[in-house]
Amino acid sequence: QITLKESGPTLVKPTQTLTLTCTFSGFSLSANGVGVGWIRQPPGKALEWLALIYWNDDKRYSPSLKNGLTVIKDASKNQVVLIMTNVDPVDTATYYCAHETATVPRAFHFWGQGTMVIVSS
Amino acid sequence: DIQMTQSPSSLSASVGDRVTITCRASQNIDNYLNWYQQKPGTAPRLLIHAASTSQSGVPSRFSGSGSGTDFTLIISSLQPEDFATYYCQQSYSMPRTFGQGTKVEIK
Repeated sequence: QITLKESGPTLVKPTQTLTLTCTFSGFSLSANGVGVGWIRQPPGKALEWLALIYWNDDKRYSPSLKNGLTVIKDASKNQVVLIMTNVDPVDTATYYCAHETATVPRAFHFWGQGTMVIVSS
Repeated sequence: DIQMTQSPSSLSASVGDRVTITCRASQNIDNYLNWYQQKPGTAPRLLIHAASTSQSGVPSRFSGSGSGTDFTLIISSLQPEDFATYYCQQSYSMPRTFGQGTKVEIK
């Protein structure tokens, strides 16, 4: 059974750095083809893809946020970390991590419950 | 980036109605198209991947079709538990992109 869970601060001040952790079970991020993605959703708005990291440490980022995002993995701890620098109130959102299938065509089959982050002074 | 455009943005329907949601990609994505259902306060749930392959446990009233740039999600007979927001998403290339969502409301 695959599960994912996001954790991190609920409230962050503008210009600070946001660090979110995705802890997962039921799969290995060392297994060929597997990926973990981050997606966010501002209140009342649509889903927005942020980043993906693959089993081979290939990392992909949203072009609109690329300069402020870093994603890293610790396969031994079954964790993926998203780091977002210089946050702004527009970054207020629920942040999800999700497992992307190893087989093509890919999809986000399993999602965490999400963690709400408020950016406010 | 590949833009995904859903229509309509929202719709009102009654239980038992047939509902059709469309998703158009700004360029060819073959069948690299996924559909998700999201209910308020919960994470999205994958309904259909590869344009037409239903996930295990998804009721048969949900079906997907299309290829290339035009895709459709059909709910053949709307049930009370189907009132939600539906998103399409392409996995053809990076960056992954979602449609803006279609909210299905009770008429």
